[in-house]
Amino acid sequence: SQQGEEDPQALSIQEGENATMNCSYKTSINNLQWYRQNSGRGLVHLILIRSNEREKHSGRLRVTLDTSKKSSSLLITASRAADTASYFCATDDSNYQLIWGAGTKLIIKP
Amino acid sequence: GAVVSQHPSWVICKSGTSVKIECRSLDFQATTMFWYRQFPKQSLMLMATSNEGSKATYEQGVEKDKFLINHASLTLSTLTVTSAHPEDSSFYICSHATSGTDTQYFGPGTRLTVL
Repeated sequence: SQQGEEDPQALSIQEGENATMNCSYKTSINNLQWYRQNSGRGLVHLILIRSNEREKHSGRLRVTLDTSKKSSSLLITASRAADTASYFCATDDSNYQLIWGAGTKLIIKP
Repeated sequence: GAVVSQHPSWVICKSGTSVKIECRSLDFQATTMFWYRQFPKQSLMLMATSNEGSKATYEQGVEKDKFLINHASLTLSTLTVTSAHPEDSSFYICSHATSGTDTQYFGPGTRLTVL
């Protein structure tokens, strides 16, 4: 099921620029996860941030979580053409079932 | 939207036995399906890409001899966990991405418990 909302729906930037995507959700969560999906491929897990964490880094990725606002952001720094993909956030409910956002389509222009 | 079903929804088995999980596309022809595994409180991890009529493509770290995937028709992909052990206990989910879009349609998942 889909409950989260992501914005923007699509984002096009120049290579080298930073890309920021946001995700909002409605219920209490155990954790929030970000995934990437290249066209026609499966979802690839990027980062998991727990509800008691506020920020997490992985390489060029930075994820923040604000549980008071029920929102998260994914920042990709120094973007590359290979970062072109759709990015999804997912939260897990009390039954540990994933609830997905609609995704942000990111296009990196060379 | 596309409908994906999985069977069984929940299975409990003894250690050492093999378990087959079916993933069916009910209203479309799926040339490609994806298999994921999710441990409690953890992320969805892509295991393999199932290709109709050809060998599956496995992600790094996934043992192809342990997780056998067969995609014999456009509506059915199966995942067989061979010689299951307690550490294989997990939630297994299949999905399909319609051609030309990035929308994934997930099956309801199969919860495997190995005793």
